[in-house]
Amino acid sequence: DAGVIQSPRHEVTEMGQEVTLRCKPISGHNSLFWYRQTMMRGLELLIYFNNNVPIDDSGMPEDRFSAKMPNASFSTLKIQPSEPRDSAVYFCASSLSSGGISSYEQYFGPGTRLTVT
Amino acid sequence: SQQGEEDPQALSIQEGENATMNCSYKTSINNLQWYRQNSGRGLVHLILIRSNEREKHSGRLRVTLDTSKKSSSLLITASRAADTASYFCATPRAGTALIFGKGTTLSVSS
Repeated sequence: DAGVIQSPRHEVTEMGQEVTLRCKPISGHNSLFWYRQTMMRGLELLIYFNNNVPIDDSGMPEDRFSAKMPNASFSTLKIQPSEPRDSAVYFCASSLSSGGISSYEQYFGPGTRLTVT
Repeated sequence: SQQGEEDPQALSIQEGENATMNCSYKTSINNLQWYRQNSGRGLVHLILIRSNEREKHSGRLRVTLDTSKKSSSLLITASRAADTASYFCATPRAGTALIFGKGTTLSVSS
C-alpha cells in the first residue's frame, strides 16, 4: 500500500484565495483525521470522520474552513478565503477503528506545507 | 480535556547513550501511544501501551505506563544519529481521535 497520500505537498497562495488540500487514506481504513501543525500551537486536530461521516469538527478554527469526505477514499480540506495566519503544515491521517474508541495507530501522510502571503 | 505533555521539551545526547522522555496526562485513559516525527515528515507510530500494561518493549524502545501517576516514559537505548526526531505521546479523546502533546525534540550527535 502507498500509505496516506496528500496533495499538494507545498502550496503558496495569496491572502484571500481559496485553498483546497486533498487526502487519500489507506484503503480499508474507516477513520480519517485532519491536523494542523505550527510551532506555536503544536499538532491540533481540526476534524475527523468515521465511515465518511464528520464526527467532531470542534477544532475547525472558523467558518472559513470546511472539510468533506464524499467517499471512503477521498477527503478535502478547504480554506476560503485564506489568511496569513493559516500558514502551517496540514496533515491527514487514517486508521482502522472499531468500537468507537481510539485503540489503533494512526497513519500520517507527508503533509501539505501551506504558506499564505 | 485529556492531553499529554512531554518533558523535556528538548534533549541532546551522544550516540550510544540512552534517551528518556516523559509524558503526563490529565484524565483516565485506556491506552497511550508514542509517535516519532522526523524533520519535514509525517508522524510515525512507535508503540501503543494499554492501561492494564505497565511496560512494553519494541526493539530498542521501552515504554512504561503508571496510571496512578498518570504518566508514561519512553526510553530509547543505545541511541543512534538516526533517532534524531521529535517524539510525541498521544492519548485518546472522545471517539476515535487522539490528542497529541507538544513533543520532545531529541538530537543525537555522533
